Amino acid sequence: EIVLTQSPGTLSLSPGERATLSCRAGQSVNSLYLAWYQQKSGQAPRLLIYGASSRATGIPDRFSGSGSGTDFTLTISTLEPEDFAVYYCQVRRTFGQGTKVEIK
Amino acid sequence: EVQLVESGGGLVKPGGSLRISCAASGFTFSASNMNWVRQAPGKGLEWVSYISMSGTYIYYADSVKGRFTISRDNAKNSVYLQMNSLRVEDTALYYCAREVPVAGSGAFDYWGQGSLVTVSS
Repeated sequence: EIVLTQSPGTLSLSPGERATLSCRAGQSVNSLYLAWYQQKSGQAPRLLIYGASSRATGIPDRFSGSGSGTDFTLTISTLEPEDFAVYYCQVRRTFGQGTKVEIK
Repeated sequence: EVQLVESGGGLVKPGGSLRISCAASGFTFSASNMNWVRQAPGKGLEWVSYISMSGTYIYYADSVKGRFTISRDNAKNSVYLQMNSLRVEDTALYYCAREVPVAGSGAFDYWGQGSLVTVSS
């Protein structure tokens, strides 16, 4: 079973700054299977990225995904107020524990 | 407009049973692989179960295997989760989610708003 470790646990940033979130797999994974989600309080998760780097429908281009093998990254180029949320990575049926992006 | 609407959640005693449903609209349900994902209060996401578009392939998380049963009715555009022998640790918000129709992707592009299942004496 794949283990996904996200870091950091919490990221404190200001609007306008760049956010870099990490997802590390315990073993090499096919990039096709790597997805990222955003979840705001009281809402269902929203798919941001699938296939490691493909943006889902309607996702702004400030969100980008990259990586391969065991190391994957979600980058938010310029944080907007609505981007403060919890972010999860996923490989098939395994989710990471999440990274909270909070306002500094 | 795509919609996934869960129903059937509630309060149940340990050892009890509950069936939750998810009604889909706005996309071709019969061509979609479906999943249940849960989230315990204040915790992260946990995949629970998968059913292929025709119902041929079904998978469960080890934590629910032997206790939960997933099924679907393509004529009613609905997927179900029958939960038996419920435990306190099954308390969670249960989401149904559609799998992205890209071969092997495994990502979930459509999610419902969730059905809350509380297991408590």
